[in-house]
Amino acid sequence: DQQVKQNSPSLSVQEGRISILNCDYTNSMFDYFLWYKKYPAEGPTFLISISSIKDKNEDGRFTVFLNKSAKHLSLHIVPSQPGDSAVYFCAASARGGTSYGKLTFGQGTILTVHP
Amino acid sequence: DAGITQSPRHKVTETGTPVTLRCHQTENHRYMYWYRQDPGHGLRLIHYSYGVKDTDKGEVSDGYSVSRSKTEDFLLTLESATSSQTSVYFCATAITYEQYFGPGTRLTVT
Repeated sequence: DQQVKQNSPSLSVQEGRISILNCDYTNSMFDYFLWYKKYPAEGPTFLISISSIKDKNEDGRFTVFLNKSAKHLSLHIVPSQPGDSAVYFCAASARGGTSYGKLTFGQGTILTVHP
Repeated sequence: DAGITQSPRHKVTETGTPVTLRCHQTENHRYMYWYRQDPGHGLRLIHYSYGVKDTDKGEVSDGYSVSRSKTEDFLLTLESATSSQTSVYFCATAITYEQYFGPGTRLTVT
């Protein structure tokens, strides 16, 4: 049972345009969400996060939106750059208790930004 | 950027042999995790540790065991490697909910 889903395996965008990556979740206990970026032959690196008490969090060119009622989050990258080409993973956590910081990851979306 | 190293970085082994992967951190993070990455599955949690000698199973723990005798080291052992365990393995550490990942180990079981 995939609790975190990224339904688009790939996305292709022109440099300078907006990239929108989507993620859906099913577990209503999730209250903290993260996006990671991964280049080939490297480990994932943390990009941005959002708590369930917010609906938007912004960091430079990256903005994450959370729609709790729809159990949906999205990552917007504006403007997109060729160096943003990578695999993007969304992840979710149910904080508190004995969660021990465990994350549940989506399958990943391959973003390609064309010059 | 947490100092996390994994060894070996690449390994080819035969079916039925035991294999141990090592994760070493220099940041004194309490939490450590082992994941495997496979096409179409993203990152799946194998085992995790919430302190020295404190470990528990993740969602894909069958065929794997772990040990953590020191804060800085987290070992993943494949008791008897199978072809289905061919994968890329990542170690991660955390203080809270933002995990920091190592560079990965590519394991091939023939």
